[in-house]
Amino acid sequence: EAGVAQSPRYKIIEKRQSVAFWCNPISGHATLYWYQQILGQGPKLLIQFQNNGVVDDSQLPKDRFSAERLKGVDSTLKIQPAKLEDSAVYLCASRLEQGSSYNEQFFGPGTRLTVL
Amino acid sequence: AQSVTQLDSHVSVSEGTPVLLRCNYSSSYSPSLFWYVQHPNKGLQLLLKYTSAATLVKGINGFEAEFKKSETSFHLTKPSAHMSDAAEYFCVVSGSNSGYALNFGKGTSLLVTP
Repeated sequence: EAGVAQSPRYKIIEKRQSVAFWCNPISGHATLYWYQQILGQGPKLLIQFQNNGVVDDSQLPKDRFSAERLKGVDSTLKIQPAKLEDSAVYLCASRLEQGSSYNEQFFGPGTRLTVL
Repeated sequence: AQSVTQLDSHVSVSEGTPVLLRCNYSSSYSPSLFWYVQHPNKGLQLLLKYTSAATLVKGINGFEAEFKKSETSFHLTKPSAHMSDAAEYFCVVSGSNSGYALNFGKGTSLLVTP
């Protein structure tokens, strides 16, 4: 079974530029999450999708971050404009339909963003 | 709200000695608890999970954790450390009230010395 795919793996941009990340979850997984992991910290949830609807985006800085999952499969996360403090690893995770007995999420390899 | 507190930011052990990484949780609901490991420049890997079945949970690579409701703890242990165990470990809580999103602790960095 293929895992969660993310691209690009690395991205370096200058502040005030825009950047987009892509995630393809495990086939059949209805729930998709984006996490931000700043160096030296645990991952923090940015946004959660159930199929193509947003379940929770309370921690997403909506003035600069946006995310979509138009067809309920792939997802993109965009930052516009980027700030220095956005330097982090952006992790995508997916989970099988709600009701899974152990709620396990499967993580992609992440995209490491450096903002100069 | 659900949260976890990892009591040690750094733990150092000698190879072959026991490992103990401490975690306390806070949850208004019956939580699901996890331990994840992250090796340098590698992805997150699930070590083990507790989901209201047996309170002693066995995971991969010889790790195990015990859910103690009375102490609101979920400490991770291993009888004998190996050099390859050196990594960052995250205690994580999840629940249906949060859409099963994961709330990570700040992490414990495990150093294993020869």
